[in-house]
Amino acid sequence: QVQLVQSGAEVKKPGASVKVSCKTSGYTFGSYALHWVRQAPGQGFEWMGWISPVNGNAKYSQKFQGRVTVTRDTSANIVYMELTSLRSADTAVYYCVRATMTYYFDYWGQGTQVIVSS
Amino acid sequence: DIQMTQSPSSLSASVGDRVTITCRASQGITHSLAWYQHKPGSAPNLLVFAASRLESGVPSRFSGSGSGTDFTLTISSLQPEDFATYFCQQYNTFPRTFGQGTRVEMK
Repeated sequence: QVQLVQSGAEVKKPGASVKVSCKTSGYTFGSYALHWVRQAPGQGFEWMGWISPVNGNAKYSQKFQGRVTVTRDTSANIVYMELTSLRSADTAVYYCVRATMTYYFDYWGQGTQVIVSS
Repeated sequence: DIQMTQSPSSLSASVGDRVTITCRASQGITHSLAWYQHKPGSAPNLLVFAASRLESGVPSRFSGSGSGTDFTLTISSLQPEDFATYFCQQYNTFPRTFGQGTRVEMK
Protein backbone atom coordinates (compact mmCIF):
# COMPACT_ATOMS: atom_id res chain seq x y z
CA GLN A 1 0.00 0.00 0.00
CA VAL A 2 1.06 3.60 -0.56
CA GLN A 3 2.94 5.04 2.41
CA LEU A 4 4.56 8.40 3.04
CA VAL A 5 6.54 8.26 6.28
CA GLN A 6 7.99 11.49 7.56
CA SER A 7 10.84 12.19 9.95
CA GLY A 8 10.23 13.05 13.57
CA ALA A 9 9.43 16.26 15.40
CA GLU A 10 11.99 19.06 15.51
CA VAL A 11 12.62 21.96 17.86
CA LYS A 12 14.69 24.76 16.39
CA LYS A 13 15.85 28.20 17.42
CA PRO A 14 14.99 31.30 15.38
CA GLY A 15 17.37 31.71 12.48
CA ALA A 16 18.13 28.00 12.22
CA SER A 17 17.18 25.61 9.42
CA VAL A 18 15.15 22.41 9.42
CA LYS A 19 15.17 19.53 6.96
CA VAL A 20 12.20 17.16 6.95
CA SER A 21 12.26 13.88 5.08
CA CYS A 22 9.44 11.90 3.50
CA LYS A 23 10.12 8.27 2.65
CA THR A 24 7.73 6.88 0.09
CA SER A 25 6.81 3.28 -0.66
CA GLY A 26 4.13 1.17 -2.29
CA TYR A 27 4.19 2.85 -5.69
CA THR A 28 6.52 3.86 -8.53
CA PHE A 29 8.39 6.85 -7.13
CA GLY A 30 8.87 8.57 -10.45
CA SER A 31 5.21 8.51 -11.43
CA TYR A 32 3.82 11.03 -8.93
CA ALA A 33 4.73 14.56 -7.90
CA LEU A 34 5.35 15.25 -4.23
CA HIS A 35 4.18 18.44 -2.55
CA TRP A 36 4.81 20.04 0.83
CA VAL A 37 2.01 21.65 2.82
CA ARG A 38 1.98 23.04 6.34
CA GLN A 39 -0.60 23.88 8.99
CA ALA A 40 0.23 26.37 11.71
CA PRO A 41 -1.68 26.16 15.02
CA GLY A 42 -5.28 27.25 14.55
CA GLN A 43 -4.70 28.02 10.87
CA GLY A 44 -5.64 26.46 7.55
CA PHE A 45 -3.35 24.52 5.29
CA GLU A 46 -0.70 26.38 3.28
CA TRP A 47 1.00 25.05 0.16
CA MET A 48 4.78 25.45 0.07
CA GLY A 49 6.04 23.78 -3.08
CA TRP A 50 6.42 20.61 -5.10
CA ILE A 51 8.98 18.48 -6.91
CA SER A 52 8.95 16.26 -9.94
CA PRO A 53 10.64 13.03 -8.85
CA VAL A 54 11.55 12.30 -12.46
CA ASN A 55 13.79 15.27 -13.15
CA GLY A 56 14.06 16.95 -9.74
CA ASN A 57 12.50 20.20 -10.95
CA ALA A 58 10.93 22.06 -8.05
CA LYS A 59 8.48 24.94 -7.87
CA TYR A 60 7.77 27.00 -4.78
CA SER A 61 5.16 29.33 -3.37
CA GLN A 62 6.28 32.94 -3.68
CA LYS A 63 5.79 33.26 0.06
CA PHE A 64 8.63 30.79 0.71
CA GLN A 65 10.81 31.52 -2.32
CA GLY A 66 14.41 31.79 -1.23
CA ARG A 67 13.82 30.00 2.09
CA VAL A 68 12.55 26.59 1.01
CA THR A 69 14.29 23.88 -0.99
CA VAL A 70 12.71 20.59 -1.98
CA THR A 71 14.97 17.78 -3.18
CA ARG A 72 14.71 14.07 -3.78
CA ASP A 73 16.83 10.94 -3.56
CA THR A 74 15.67 8.59 -6.28
CA SER A 75 17.80 5.72 -4.99
CA ALA A 76 15.94 5.72 -1.68
CA ASN A 77 12.55 7.09 -2.81
CA ILE A 78 12.82 9.96 -0.34
CA VAL A 79 11.85 13.60 -0.71
CA TYR A 80 13.25 16.35 1.51
CA MET A 81 12.04 19.81 2.44
CA GLU A 82 14.49 22.28 3.92
CA LEU A 83 13.32 25.57 5.37
CA THR A 84 15.89 28.17 6.40
CA SER A 85 15.91 31.35 8.49
CA LEU A 86 13.24 29.94 10.76
CA ARG A 87 11.02 32.25 12.79
CA SER A 88 8.28 31.59 15.31
CA ALA A 89 5.64 31.89 12.57
CA ASP A 90 7.12 28.75 10.99
CA THR A 91 5.92 26.68 13.93
CA ALA A 92 3.58 24.25 12.23
CA VAL A 93 2.93 20.67 11.23
CA TYR A 94 4.57 19.98 7.88
CA TYR A 95 3.13 17.35 5.51
CA CYS A 96 4.41 15.72 2.37
CA VAL A 97 1.61 14.92 -0.01
CA ARG A 98 1.42 12.84 -3.18
CA ALA A 99 -0.34 14.34 -6.19
CA THR A 100 -2.02 12.24 -8.83
CA MET A 101 -1.50 12.70 -12.56
CA THR A 102 -4.64 14.86 -12.56
CA TYR A 103 -3.12 16.93 -9.77
CA TYR A 104 -5.29 16.34 -6.73
CA PHE A 105 -3.65 15.14 -3.51
CA ASP A 106 -4.41 11.52 -2.73
CA TYR A 107 -1.98 10.46 0.02
CA TRP A 108 -0.56 12.48 2.90
CA GLY A 109 2.32 11.77 5.23
CA GLN A 110 1.62 11.63 8.94
CA GLY A 111 2.98 15.14 9.49
CA THR A 112 6.10 16.47 11.20
CA GLN A 113 5.78 18.96 14.03
CA VAL A 114 8.34 21.76 13.80
CA ILE A 115 8.55 24.15 16.74
CA VAL A 116 10.59 27.32 16.46
CA SER A 117 11.34 28.80 19.85
CA SER A 118 14.17 30.57 21.58
CA ASP B 1 -3.74 33.63 -5.62
CA ILE B 2 -7.16 31.99 -5.61
CA GLN B 3 -8.92 32.47 -2.28
CA MET B 4 -11.06 29.59 -1.05
CA THR B 5 -13.84 30.69 1.30
CA GLN B 6 -15.41 27.87 3.22
CA SER B 7 -18.55 28.05 5.34
CA PRO B 8 -19.56 27.56 8.00
CA SER B 9 -16.37 27.51 10.06
CA SER B 10 -18.05 25.13 12.47
CA LEU B 11 -21.38 23.43 12.95
CA SER B 12 -23.09 21.25 15.53
CA ALA B 13 -25.05 18.26 14.33
CA SER B 14 -26.47 14.95 15.51
CA VAL B 15 -26.03 11.44 14.20
CA GLY B 16 -28.36 10.99 11.25
CA ASP B 17 -28.40 14.66 10.29
CA ARG B 18 -27.78 15.88 6.77
CA VAL B 19 -24.75 18.19 6.73
CA THR B 20 -23.81 20.63 3.97
CA ILE B 21 -20.53 22.53 3.72
CA THR B 22 -19.82 25.08 1.02
CA CYS B 23 -16.64 26.32 -0.58
CA ARG B 24 -16.38 29.34 -2.85
CA ALA B 25 -13.39 30.14 -5.06
CA SER B 26 -12.44 33.75 -5.78
CA GLN B 27 -12.20 32.86 -9.47
CA GLY B 28 -13.31 29.97 -11.62
CA ILE B 29 -11.51 26.67 -11.12
CA THR B 30 -13.69 24.48 -13.38
CA HIS B 31 -13.99 21.14 -11.51
CA SER B 32 -10.50 21.18 -9.94
CA LEU B 33 -11.61 20.89 -6.34
CA ALA B 34 -11.04 18.25 -3.68
CA TRP B 35 -12.54 17.70 -0.24
CA TYR B 36 -10.70 16.16 2.69
CA GLN B 37 -11.54 14.95 6.17
CA HIS B 38 -9.07 15.64 8.95
CA LYS B 39 -9.03 14.22 12.45
CA PRO B 40 -6.58 15.41 15.13
CA GLY B 41 -3.29 13.55 15.06
CA SER B 42 -4.00 11.89 11.72
CA ALA B 43 -3.21 12.65 8.12
CA PRO B 44 -6.00 14.23 6.08
CA ASN B 45 -8.11 11.76 4.11
CA LEU B 46 -9.26 12.41 0.55
CA LEU B 47 -13.04 12.20 0.17
CA VAL B 48 -13.91 13.79 -3.17
CA PHE B 49 -11.89 14.92 -6.18
CA ALA B 50 -12.85 16.63 -9.42
CA ALA B 51 -15.63 18.32 -7.41
CA SER B 52 -17.97 15.33 -7.44
CA ARG B 53 -16.01 12.10 -7.80
CA LEU B 54 -15.94 9.95 -4.70
CA GLU B 55 -12.54 8.50 -3.79
CA SER B 56 -12.44 4.72 -3.68
CA GLY B 57 -13.44 3.37 -0.28
CA VAL B 58 -15.22 6.53 0.86
CA PRO B 59 -18.78 5.84 2.07
CA SER B 60 -21.55 6.83 -0.32
CA ARG B 61 -23.11 9.14 2.28
CA PHE B 62 -20.47 11.65 1.19
CA SER B 63 -21.05 13.55 -2.02
CA GLY B 64 -19.68 16.62 -3.74
CA SER B 65 -21.14 18.98 -6.28
CA GLY B 66 -20.47 22.25 -8.05
CA SER B 67 -18.24 23.76 -10.68
CA GLY B 68 -16.66 27.08 -11.48
CA THR B 69 -16.66 28.97 -8.19
CA ASP B 70 -19.26 27.31 -5.96
CA PHE B 71 -18.93 23.86 -4.45
CA THR B 72 -20.68 21.78 -1.84
CA LEU B 73 -19.82 18.75 0.27
CA THR B 74 -22.82 16.89 1.64
CA ILE B 75 -22.97 14.15 4.24
CA SER B 76 -26.41 12.61 3.81
CA SER B 77 -26.66 10.95 7.22
CA LEU B 78 -23.97 11.87 9.72
CA GLN B 79 -22.30 8.93 11.45
CA PRO B 80 -20.31 8.97 14.72
CA GLU B 81 -17.01 8.58 12.84
CA ASP B 82 -17.76 11.67 10.73
CA PHE B 83 -17.16 14.18 13.52
CA ALA B 84 -14.02 15.84 12.19
CA THR B 85 -12.79 18.88 10.27
CA TYR B 86 -13.48 19.12 6.53
CA PHE B 87 -11.62 21.34 4.11
CA CYS B 88 -11.60 22.06 0.41
CA GLN B 89 -8.63 22.60 -1.87
CA GLN B 90 -8.29 23.90 -5.41
CA TYR B 91 -5.75 22.36 -7.77
CA ASN B 92 -6.56 24.39 -10.87
CA THR B 93 -3.64 26.81 -10.50
CA PHE B 94 -0.52 27.44 -8.47
CA PRO B 95 -0.23 28.19 -5.64
CA ARG B 96 -2.57 25.45 -4.46
CA THR B 97 -4.92 26.94 -1.89
CA PHE B 98 -7.19 25.61 0.80
CA GLY B 99 -10.38 26.55 2.57
CA GLN B 100 -10.04 27.37 6.26
CA GLY B 101 -11.94 24.24 7.29
CA THR B 102 -15.29 23.37 8.81
CA ARG B 103 -15.32 21.68 12.18
CA VAL B 104 -18.28 19.29 12.54
CA GLU B 105 -19.08 18.82 16.22
CA MET B 106 -21.57 16.73 18.08
CA LYS B 107 -24.68 18.59 19.16
